[in-house]
Amino acid sequence: DAGVTQSPTHLIKTRGQQVTLRCSPKSGHDTVSWYQQALGQGPQFIFQYYEEEERQRGNFPDRFSGHQFPNYSSELNVNALLLGDSALYLCASSLDRTHGYTFGSGTRLTVV
Amino acid sequence: AQSVTQPDIHITVSEGASLELRCNYSYGATPYLFWYVQSPGQGLQLLLKYFSGDTLVQGIKGFEAEFKRSQSSFNLRKPSVHWSDAAEYFCAVVPSTTSGTYKYIFGTGTRLKVLA
Repeated sequence: DAGVTQSPTHLIKTRGQQVTLRCSPKSGHDTVSWYQQALGQGPQFIFQYYEEEERQRGNFPDRFSGHQFPNYSSELNVNALLLGDSALYLCASSLDRTHGYTFGSGTRLTVV
Repeated sequence: AQSVTQPDIHITVSEGASLELRCNYSYGATPYLFWYVQSPGQGLQLLLKYFSGDTLVQGIKGFEAEFKRSQSSFNLRKPSVHWSDAAEYFCAVVPSTTSGTYKYIFGTGTRLKVLA
């Protein structure tokens, strides 16, 4: 049973560009959350998707947007990239709050 | 505001020694509590979780954690550390309310170094 799959694993973008990161949740999981983890920090909550809707959002600007598809997979889009957006972006899927997240290995985004 | 504090940024222990990683949370009610481990360049792996019942919970890889309501703490322990335990450890909390969406709040992590 595959866990959470994220693509790509690494990405280098230029400041001002746009990027799309992809996530396939663990089989049976219907909720997808995205986190940003800067170097040396804990993961910071970006937003959570359930039933194709953004249900909760962290303190991130509107440049960060997402989407969830009917098969529960999800995309994270970041527009007008800044140097400070360089981080590991983690996707996590879950069935409910009691079972904990299953995390993907992340996408390492570098903005130059 | 809800928060999670891991007061130790770095901890170094010798292989075979015991380990305790501290975690304190600030939340109005008892949340659900988790410990995750992250190896370099990897995602996070769930070690153990607590949401009710016995306050001492067992996890994978020989780890355990004890919930102490009076101290708002959920410390992670291991009796004998192995070199492969070197990694970063994150404590996380999530509201225990049964309705609505939920987000996990993570601490800043404790980096564990194991000396041979």
